[in-house]
Formats: sequence, structure tokens, C-alpha cells
Amino acid sequence: KNQVEQSPQSLIILEGKNCTLQCNYTVSPFSNLRWYKQDTGRGPVSLTIMTFSENTKSNGRYTATLDADTKQSSLHITASQLSDSASYICVVSARNTGFQKLVFGTGTRLLVSP
Amino acid sequence: KAGVTQTPRYLIKTRGQQVTLSCSPISGHRSVSWYQQTPGQGLQFLFEYFSETQRNKGNFPGRFSGRQFSNSRSEMNVSTLELGDSALYLCASSSRLANQETQYFGPGTRLLVL
Repeated sequence: KNQVEQSPQSLIILEGKNCTLQCNYTVSPFSNLRWYKQDTGRGPVSLTIMTFSENTKSNGRYTATLDADTKQSSLHITASQLSDSASYICVVSARNTGFQKLVFGTGTRLLVSP
Repeated sequence: KAGVTQTPRYLIKTRGQQVTLSCSPISGHRSVSWYQQTPGQGLQFLFEYFSETQRNKGNFPGRFSGRQFSNSRSEMNVSTLELGDSALYLCASSSRLANQETQYFGPGTRLLVL
């Protein structure tokens, strides 16, 4: 069964600290993996998208890694800011064969405390 | 470019009523996907339309339906509303099929069913 599991479910860190969010998936055949940031009451915003051949991608203070062999991804946030408080959603896409669709994780809720 | 827009932003209905939500994608985007987001279930895929054709469908009952117009604008309809339909409904657009590239989400329509 195609699944995406994220950990931890929630996380509280102090402003300025780093943190790492995890995503494990069983989606097959794999096409790409995305990380989204969703502020409360708003739609998700794309942070990174990685294909099978990419193992790291950065977007400012956000760095995503992908290990396609172990089917794991992580999102590392450096020097956290209060505005990083949000839910972070991992989404895995299967190759476009028939009615494949995106598989969403349930997200990690991050709170950055002053 | 203007982003994805959704109308209305907020809606209150009663059980048994029906509702129509609207989504205007980013100019030039041909794919529109709809999602339901609830605190307990996270983001769940409803359906995807590409060039006026439904290309993908999630596991929702037939009360949930949609369509896409020639200008790529899309509507989603829910008939015979139930209390459990209370959720944030998100629309996302992309220029190719959703599982092939980054999706851009709208702000969502928050539906409350009383």
C-alpha cells in the first residue's frame, strides 16, 4: 500500500535552533518527493521537489535530502525563525501510470518559540 | 502572475444542503486538483482535472463531484451535506499533471456544516 509517514507529529524548538523533520515512504514506482509548508489557515506552499536522481536540494534555510534506496527523506531547517512555525507536509508522487496520484503525509507541526 | 484563487473563502451550510466551490488556477495552468483537509485526516485527494477531463479520483463518495471549464477554471460540488464534510477545501494548479511537477495551492474554502 502506498503510504507516507512523517515524524515527529509535532515539535517545539527555540528560535535560532536547527531541526530535522523525517519522511518515510512506501510509494512505488517513485517519481518525485515534495516538501510543503502550510501556515495555519492557508494553502500549502512548495519548498522543494526532488526526483529519483537528486539527493539534496536547498531553498534558503530549508534543505531537503532524499535517499531513494531506503525511501527516506528529511527536511532540515537552519537557524529557525518564528515565521517557520507551520505544518510541514511530505508528498510523494508515483510515476504517471494510469490513475496514480500524489500520496500525502499527515504533516509535522512545528512551533518555534521565542 | 496572479496565484490560485478560490471562492468563497468561508461558507456555512446546514445538513442536507448542497454547495459549489470555485477555483481559478494560475494563468496557463491546465491541471486543477481538489483536496479536503481536516485536522484528523490531513490532506486527502478528491480529484484532478486536466483539459476539462477528470484524470484522477480519490476515495470519496459520489456526493462529491467536479468539473473543469475550457478556461481551466474548476468547480467542486458537494450534495446532501453531512456534518463530517466540514473541512478546508483546497484547490491546486499546475501546468502539467499534478504528479509531474510542483502544484500551487489556493488559500482554500473553509466549509462549516451545521
